[in-house]
Amino acid sequence: DQQVKQNSPSLSVQEGRISILNCDYTNSMFDYFLWYKKYPAEGPTFLISISSIKDKNEDGRFTVFLNKSAKHLSLHIVPSQPGDSAVYFCAASSGRDDMRFGAGTRLTVKP
Amino acid sequence: DADVTQTPRNRITKTGKRIMLECSQTKGHDRMYWYRQDPGLGLQLIYYSFDVKDINKGEISDGYSVSRQAQAKFSLSLESAIPNQTALYFCATSEDNEQFFGPGTRLTVL
Repeated sequence: DQQVKQNSPSLSVQEGRISILNCDYTNSMFDYFLWYKKYPAEGPTFLISISSIKDKNEDGRFTVFLNKSAKHLSLHIVPSQPGDSAVYFCAASSGRDDMRFGAGTRLTVKP
Repeated sequence: DADVTQTPRNRITKTGKRIMLECSQTKGHDRMYWYRQDPGLGLQLIYYSFDVKDINKGEISDGYSVSRQAQAKFSLSLESAIPNQTALYFCATSEDNEQFFGPGTRLTVL
């Protein structure tokens, strides 16, 4: 039962353009959402998060948008850089309960 | 020095063997987690611990056990390894919502 879904296993964009990574969830109890970035041979690292009381959170080139009615969130990276090439995981949690992760989207940014 | 360390980093074992994966952290966090990553499935939670006396099963705990020896140490055991437990295993810690991951252990069960 995948409560967090990332339906695009991969995404390729040109350097300087916008990357948009999408995530859908099914559990309406989720109230905190995170994006993690993972390079090969390393553990995931935290990138950006958003609480359910907000619909947007921005940190430099990274912006996360939350649409609660659609149970959808997205990560925008602009401008995209080759160093952004990695696997991006969407995650969601609800209070004390465990965190659920999506399957990941592999982003490739071409020079 | 890394805040979350895992040993071993790579392990090949045979079906039926008992194996232990170890995790240590220097972040002083109470919460620790074990995940496995399989292609196309993302990270699946095996067990999590909110403190030394509080251990909980995650999504896929069957075939695994854990021990929280101290606040800083959380080990994962496979009592009798089977080939479909071949995966990348991650340990993580957290204080609030953000989790900090170790570098992973690649386990192959032949």
